[in-house]
Amino acid sequence: DAGVIQSPRHEVTEMGQEVTLRCKPISGHDYLFWYRQTMMRGLELLIYFNNNVPIDDSGMPEDRFSAKMPNASFSTLKIQPSEPRDSAVYFCASSFAGVATEKLFFGSGTQLSVL
Amino acid sequence: AQTVTQSQPEMSVQEAETVTLSCTYDTSESDYYLFWYKQPPSRQMILVIRQEAYKQQNATENRFSVNFQKAAKSFSLKISDSQLGDAAMYFCAYRLGGTSYGKLTFGQGTILTVHP
Repeated sequence: DAGVIQSPRHEVTEMGQEVTLRCKPISGHDYLFWYRQTMMRGLELLIYFNNNVPIDDSGMPEDRFSAKMPNASFSTLKIQPSEPRDSAVYFCASSFAGVATEKLFFGSGTQLSVL
Repeated sequence: AQTVTQSQPEMSVQEAETVTLSCTYDTSESDYYLFWYKQPPSRQMILVIRQEAYKQQNATENRFSVNFQKAAKSFSLKISDSQLGDAAMYFCAYRLGGTSYGKLTFGQGTILTVHP
């Protein structure tokens, strides 16, 4: 398995533009998480899904952020409109609840720069 | 709210030596899990070790072991026989038990440098 795949790896955009980040979880995993990493706030959970259903979106900072999981193999995180303070590395992670070790498999992240 | 604190922004160790990374956490819960994740320059977070709070025995994974002091709310990571590939940022993380699967609260991280 190729692991969790995120695209793009880097994204540079201008303030006010729409940004869409994409994630393909590991096949068979039933949990998907979106985390954000910044210097100021560290790593924080934005939202997570179980069996494609959003379970907890309390970490989503504002209505400008939205996430979807239309099927078990794809998820998107959208920011509209983007702002400079959204600049961060966004990670997608997936996991299978049946694994006793509770191991989250992370993608390599999308580095977002909003100018 | 639960908090995780890593008081060492940076640590260094000589290859083949042992290093200990510190982590403390604050919670009023009795059912929780603790983790150490490694983030190499590739950015991809990798699970190093996991500890259940109800287990008194410290978790070990090859050269990695933890010192879990529940009363002191301390969870340190010991890396023995350090290797160049251990150089990375290490994050301590906490998860509440029950239905909070995968909802991790991370510390600020410790950058580990390994000198040859």
